[in-house]
Amino acid sequence: GAGVSQSPSNKVTEKGKDVELRCDPISGHTALYWYRQRLGQGLEFLIYFQGNSAPDKSGLPSDRFSAERTGESVSTLTIQRTQQEDSAVYLCASSHDRMNTGELFFGEGSRLTVL
Amino acid sequence: AQSVSQHNHHVILSEAASLELGCNYSYGGTVNLFWYVQYPGQHLQLLLKYFSGDPLVKGIKGFEAEFIKSKFSFNLRKPSVQWSDTAEYFCAVRGASKIIFGSGTRLSIRP
Repeated sequence: GAGVSQSPSNKVTEKGKDVELRCDPISGHTALYWYRQRLGQGLEFLIYFQGNSAPDKSGLPSDRFSAERTGESVSTLTIQRTQQEDSAVYLCASSHDRMNTGELFFGEGSRLTVL
Repeated sequence: AQSVSQHNHHVILSEAASLELGCNYSYGGTVNLFWYVQYPGQHLQLLLKYFSGDPLVKGIKGFEAEFIKSKFSFNLRKPSVQWSDTAEYFCAVRGASKIIFGSGTRLSIRP
């Protein structure tokens, strides 16, 4: 597709379950970001992938959170043993950093609700 | 570490009023600066960006922003707002690598 695709768009889960969120970036975009947006709050940086470099994981809030990316394609964000405070919209964005535009293209987000 | 502050959480204006949204950043080196907008029900999109050169940058829909290096600021302005400008506005900064966002400012326009 032409844009950043995220799935699922909505996920309701029970506390303690694991969830996996998927992001399919724009083809050719070397940079990929995950952000978290809690209700009424700003974007909280989670993790940044740039090409084949080691990811910047400095924003991951705990060791329950992890993310993988295969090359310059799909990324998955995994949250283990979910807690109610994990409820948020998880946004993925990609960028063609080789052109150094810095412009991020966002997906629609995955809304996670932990009961 | 880089950080971004947006001081106004919610701004309410009447149509045709002038707008200025504050943004301050913290980073010791060269920065790239951005304003993103999120209209109701839509995803985030780029409004304007500063990389180098003229510190006054113009974006879409009549918005502009001025980079003042000495004040570490990148305030967003529009001389006359419209009802359609109702949205959430996010300032963002890129230092060495990653892009960090501010907490956002919700703009409500009274018709």
